[in-house]
Amino acid sequence: QSVLTQPPSVSGAPGQRVTISCTGSSSNIGAGYDVHWYQQVPGTAPKLLIYGNNNRPSGVPDRFSGSKSGTSASLAITGLQTEDEADYYCQSSDNGLSGWVFGGGTKLTVL
Amino acid sequence: EVQLVESGGGLVQPGGSLRLSCAASGITVNDNYMTWVRQAPGKGLQWVSVIYSDGKTYYPDSVKGRFSISRDRSKNTVYLQMNSLRVEDTALYYCARATVAATPLPLDYWGQGTLVTVSS
Repeated sequence: QSVLTQPPSVSGAPGQRVTISCTGSSSNIGAGYDVHWYQQVPGTAPKLLIYGNNNRPSGVPDRFSGSKSGTSASLAITGLQTEDEADYYCQSSDNGLSGWVFGGGTKLTVL
Repeated sequence: EVQLVESGGGLVQPGGSLRLSCAASGITVNDNYMTWVRQAPGKGLQWVSVIYSDGKTYYPDSVKGRFSISRDRSKNTVYLQMNSLRVEDTALYYCARATVAATPLPLDYWGQGTLVTVSS
């Protein structure tokens, strides 16, 4: 099981707002490590969407935003579009493990 | 433009070995933090190894002692030597660059992946 917990799936209609949670603990997100988010369209490599909790790489629309509080983080997508349909992963680090840890992933369906 | 191109995947029997390659262009692997991340069929992402710009390497417990990451400056290529392969190592293996923009380092460039299948 992943040390970062994400809901298996979320859905929303075009134009709506959805959020995806990433729940950790005091040994990872709560320890002060940053959280990053990746988008993976089926059949393609993951793409960095949000880094350092709330920063967007160049080219990522401002419809995507991130936040972090305590032992959890969230990814928000506003103005949902059909091309947003993908799997989303959070990433952080953990004091009890070496290196990177990922959430189990959340499948976003645009209805 | 940064490009990472993996190769070397294939079918191997349990207990066998395989070496994956990641040829980079647009960046110098020796000046960067380079990682391998894998994804089992239908599953999530799992970090496999990292080599820092100073040459230090790190692995999760699941592959420590079996996998080894290295690099070749002249070929601008990163390698993943995988020994004592297990059925559970079956996955698509991605090469990715880690950027020093946060802690932990986010992965900003990814290759297209190379498939490793461990089966008898």
